[in-house]
Amino acid sequence: QQKVQQSPESLSVPEGGMASLNCTSSDRNFQYFWWYRQHSGEGPKALMSIFSDGDKKEGRFTAHLNKASLHVSLHIRDSQPSDSALYFCAASEAMTNSAGNKLTFGIGTRVLVRP
Amino acid sequence: GGIITQTPKFLIGQEGQKLTLKCQQNFNHDTMYWYRQDSGKGLRLIYYSITENDLQKGDLSEGYDASREKKSSFSLTVTSAQKNEMAVFLCASSTRTGGAEQYFGPGTRLTVL
Repeated sequence: QQKVQQSPESLSVPEGGMASLNCTSSDRNFQYFWWYRQHSGEGPKALMSIFSDGDKKEGRFTAHLNKASLHVSLHIRDSQPSDSALYFCAASEAMTNSAGNKLTFGIGTRVLVRP
Repeated sequence: GGIITQTPKFLIGQEGQKLTLKCQQNFNHDTMYWYRQDSGKGLRLIYYSITENDLQKGDLSEGYDASREKKSSFSLTVTSAQKNEMAVFLCASSTRTGGAEQYFGPGTRLTVL
């Protein structure tokens, strides 16, 4: 079973609309959560991290973490065509000398912003 | 800022061939990673190296070898390429701080004929 599960698989939103992405983990050892974004033909790039319960806002992006339910969400306000990309949720355990900062990725949500 | 360079950008090989992918970073990061990206399967960790003299297997290490030549470079070898194998191999690096951001290269796209 995938340790990090994302939904939906794909999402289409109108320009200026709100996109909402979900991520659930099945591993209670995960301490750190990230959202990465990958445009076609490029490597993934970190969008934002969230390590504590509650909301974290960075510009048009808001992440929410509920550690009790191991649920993370990402909301994109005022979506732009440049936001069209593949979005990954990723999680890691507390760093140890042997495990380093290993990230476990979900399979991604493809977002299309319609002009 | 820094950059991660992956070579080659495209790699075409024959079944059973040994193929090597290279990665260089100038962030001065301790830790480097190799991931495989298949459509519909996300990114899966193949090998990682926490520090210059370290090598750790990820979830997908079978069929691969890795080598950390120096702090700035990390190579991945496909020991025997499988026919119809097509994937993108991504290299990343990070500091050793808990929860550190990983920085990714642009990827090497592998095709096996």
